[in-house]
Amino acid sequence: SQKIEQNSEALNIQEGKTATLTCNYTNYSPAYLQWYRQDPGRGPVFLLLIRENEKEKRKERLKVTFDTTLKQSLFHITASQPADSATYLCALGMEYGNKLVFGAGTILRVKS
Amino acid sequence: DTGVSQDPRHKITKRGQNVTFRCDPISEHNRLYWYRQTLGQGPEFLTYFQNEAQLEKSRLLSDRFSAERPKGSFSTLEIQRTEQGDSAMYLCASSRRLDTDTQYFGPGTRLTVL
Repeated sequence: SQKIEQNSEALNIQEGKTATLTCNYTNYSPAYLQWYRQDPGRGPVFLLLIRENEKEKRKERLKVTFDTTLKQSLFHITASQPADSATYLCALGMEYGNKLVFGAGTILRVKS
Repeated sequence: DTGVSQDPRHKITKRGQNVTFRCDPISEHNRLYWYRQTLGQGPEFLTYFQNEAQLEKSRLLSDRFSAERPKGSFSTLEIQRTEQGDSAMYLCASSRRLDTDTQYFGPGTRLTVL
C-alpha cells in the first residue's frame, strides 16, 4: 500500500541546535517533494520544493535533501529558534500542477 | 499577491444542513485545489480546477459534495446533508500557470457539524 511517514512523535530541541525531520514514502514515484509549515488553526505555508533529479536544496536556514533510492527526504532547520515551533508537512507531487499527497506532519518544539 | 482567501473562517451547523464555502485564489492563478484536513492528519485532496474545468475528484468526494468554479476565478464547495464525519478544516490552494508545482494555501474554513 502507499504510505508517507513522518516522525510520529513531536521533536523537542534546544534553541540554536539543528532540527532534522524525516519523510519516508512507500509505493510512490514522486516527480517532486515539498515541505510546508503549518501553525495551529492556519493553512500550510510553502517552504521548499525539491525535484526528483535534485539531491539538495537550501534556503536561508533551511535545507532539504531528497534520496529517490532510499525514498526519503530530510528537512533541516539550522540555528533553530522558538519561532520555528510548528507542524512541518511533507508533500509528494506525482505530476506537476496536479494534487499533492501529504504526510501527517511532525510537530517541532524549540525551547529557549 | 494578496494571498488565497476563504470565507467563512468558521462554520457551525447541525447535522443534515447544507453548507457552502467560498475560496478566492491569488489573482491570475489558473489552478485551484480543495483539500480537507482532520486533527493530527495532513491535508487530503478533494478536487481541483484548471480555470473553470474540474479536472479531478477524489473518491473522498461523495455525492453530497460539489465544487464549482464558474468563471475560472473564485470557487465554491458545497456539502449537502452534512454529517458529523464532515467536521474538518477545508483548505483551498491555488497555483500559477507557469509555476504549477507550488501551491499556496488559504487560511481554511473550520467546519463543525453538531
